[in-house]
Amino acid sequence: EPEVTQTPSHQVTQMGQEVILRCVPISNHLYFYWYRQILGQKVEFLVSFYNNEISEKSEIFDDQFSVERPDGSNFTLKIRSTKLEDSAMYFCASRRGLNEKLFFGSGTQLSVL
Amino acid sequence: GDSVTQMEGPVTLSEEAFLTINCTYTATGYPSLFWYVQYPGEGLQLLLKATKADDKGSNKGFEATYRKETTSFHLEKGSVQVSDSAVYFCALSANSGGSNYKLTFGKGTLLTVNP
Repeated sequence: EPEVTQTPSHQVTQMGQEVILRCVPISNHLYFYWYRQILGQKVEFLVSFYNNEISEKSEIFDDQFSVERPDGSNFTLKIRSTKLEDSAMYFCASRRGLNEKLFFGSGTQLSVL
Repeated sequence: GDSVTQMEGPVTLSEEAFLTINCTYTATGYPSLFWYVQYPGEGLQLLLKATKADDKGSNKGFEATYRKETTSFHLEKGSVQVSDSAVYFCALSANSGGSNYKLTFGKGTLLTVNP
């Protein structure tokens, strides 16, 4: 079965630094998502992306966050100035159509020190 | 807003035991309901789904029935195996009102099955 690939699997950064989390969605997919899970809490929706623009974002997704599909294969999440509370597992997901199966990557564990 | 509440874990069972993981939801309209599973070191995978009231989703021996009257979607399996050890997430997708089909998840329930 095709896979969504996320790199790195673990990232450690200092508070205030910028991080970029990378995802390679499945090649013929059109809808892209980022979710996150803070330890012990629910998996939360961050943002959805379609046709090279954000289609929906949550209140968590403030000006500190941005997404980009720079080259037609990668889908990145940038956190501009990380805070301690950004420490979480970040999941990328993609699907071909809105009514089709959503595929998740295995996540990037971000630790902000 | 939409929300999902699922049974707190962890749940520890012996092989061949019966499994129930409770899940209830709050949503406007008629959401689709899902169970996702995350095996160690892997991403979330769709286990089963139901898109309307009284639908039963099933896969790999797991079942869940969409109960609109009790706003529930409990996951069951008659005889668990060691290989079922994973984190199970209940989720809903509100397919209207511009939600763009995003998923709202519960916290997840860690299941450990001992031989």
